[in-house]
Amino acid sequence: GIQVEQSPPDLILQEGANSTLRCNFSDSVNNLQWFHQNPWGQLINLFYIPSGTKQNGRLSATTVATERYSLLYISSSQTTDSGVYFCAVSFGNEKLTFGTGTRLTIIP
Amino acid sequence: EAGVAQSPRYKIIEKRQSVAFWCNPISGHATLYWYQQILGQGPKLLIQFQNNGVVDDSQLPKDRFSAERLKGVDSTLKIQPAKLEDSAVYLCASTLRPTSGRARETQYFGPGTRLLVL
Repeated sequence: GIQVEQSPPDLILQEGANSTLRCNFSDSVNNLQWFHQNPWGQLINLFYIPSGTKQNGRLSATTVATERYSLLYISSSQTTDSGVYFCAVSFGNEKLTFGTGTRLTIIP
Repeated sequence: EAGVAQSPRYKIIEKRQSVAFWCNPISGHATLYWYQQILGQGPKLLIQFQNNGVVDDSQLPKDRFSAERLKGVDSTLKIQPAKLEDSAVYLCASTLRPTSGRARETQYFGPGTRLLVL
């Protein structure tokens, strides 16, 4: 099956800083989603982005499908951005495969 | 609109006991998913329903896990008997349209049920 690697595994930043999270995948995909899991465990879909670039407020994402990676950018971090960020991918009729996540901690 | 509802939120049982989890997806959502999330890992799909039919249960340990979605709305996931390694968060998610097995729709997750097996 598809392997999904996320980096870095942990990231600690001061409030207001910018960050870049990376997702590498081992095979072709036509579905890539970014999720945020808050400290209480709730998973929220951030982007559906199998290719190209999208922006939503302080968050943006870029997927380069031909090079098998995606990046999630967070600008002007806030404490509410803390949590774990997951990348999940699939191809065709296959189920979503989640990465192991990047744990982001924003310090006031 | 109301989100995906799950209950209970927490459950502590002893090994070899049985446990059941309930999920009510967003109204009108055709596809329902159950995931298992072990501490420190990403969610892993256990079973996917489209309306009341099973689309994918390839990763469901069928000797002890079972799930049903009888009327194509809410769903129940059962573990019988539980093992220590079943300790995890069980997440339910739903998507609006039938996916024919393709997971391209945005998935909306419930708050999860935290299970601890002692």
